[in-house]
Amino acid sequence: SQTIHQWPATLVQPVGSPLSLECTVEGTSNPNLYWYRQAAGRGLQLLFYSVGIGQISSEVPQNLSASRPQDRQFILSSKKLLLSDSGFYLCAWSVGGNPYEQYFGPGTRLTVT
Amino acid sequence: DQQVKQNSPSLSVQEGRISILNCDYTNSMFDYFLWYKKYPAEGPTFLISISSIKDKNEDGRFTVFLNKSAKHLSLHIVPSQPGDSAVYFCAATRTDSWGKLQFGAGTQVVVTP
Repeated sequence: SQTIHQWPATLVQPVGSPLSLECTVEGTSNPNLYWYRQAAGRGLQLLFYSVGIGQISSEVPQNLSASRPQDRQFILSSKKLLLSDSGFYLCAWSVGGNPYEQYFGPGTRLTVT
Repeated sequence: DQQVKQNSPSLSVQEGRISILNCDYTNSMFDYFLWYKKYPAEGPTFLISISSIKDKNEDGRFTVFLNKSAKHLSLHIVPSQPGDSAVYFCAATRTDSWGKLQFGAGTQVVVTP
C-alpha cells in the first residue's frame, strides 16, 4: 500500500532563516506531487505541483520554491522566511490516471517568529 | 479570489441525525468535485467525489448532490456518528488541470451524543 511521509511535524523558525520541508511517497511510481498551505481559518491553497522529476509548476508567486530531485521525493524550500509563511504545510500525491483524488501527508506546522 | 465557498464554518448535529454540508462555487468550468475530511493535526482524507455529468453519488453513509445550474453541492451524512466530528473541505477542479484543486475554507462538524 502507498504511504506518504512528511517531516518535521512541527517547526519554529525565526524570520529570515531558511526552510526545507521534505515529503516522500512509498508504494507507487511516478506520482503527481503537490504542496499545499493552510493558513489559519482558511482552506488549502495549492503552492506547487509536479508531474515528474524536475518538473515543477508554481501556482502562487511567493517566497517559496519546490524541487523534485527523485521520483518520490518533493522538497519545499525558502531562503528567507517571512512571518506570513506561517501555516500548516501539506504534501499530497495522486496517480497520473486520476490526479483529482489526492492523498495527503500528516502535515508540518510551521511557525515563523 | 475564493472560487469555492463554504459559508457555514461550523455545524452541530445529534448522533443518528443527518448532517448536511453545503458548498458553492463560482467557476462554471469546474467539472469535478470532491469532499475531504480532516482531523486535527492530520492531513485531509479523501471522502467522496462527483463528476459534473452526475447529480448524485452515494458511498455508504455519505451522499454528494450536485446542482450545476445553482453551482452548488452538498454532502449528506446519514446517520451521523461521533467519529464524523471533523472539518470537512469541499474542493473543485477542472479535469484538464492536472489535479489543481480549489478548496473551500471548511466546515467544522461536531456530532453530539
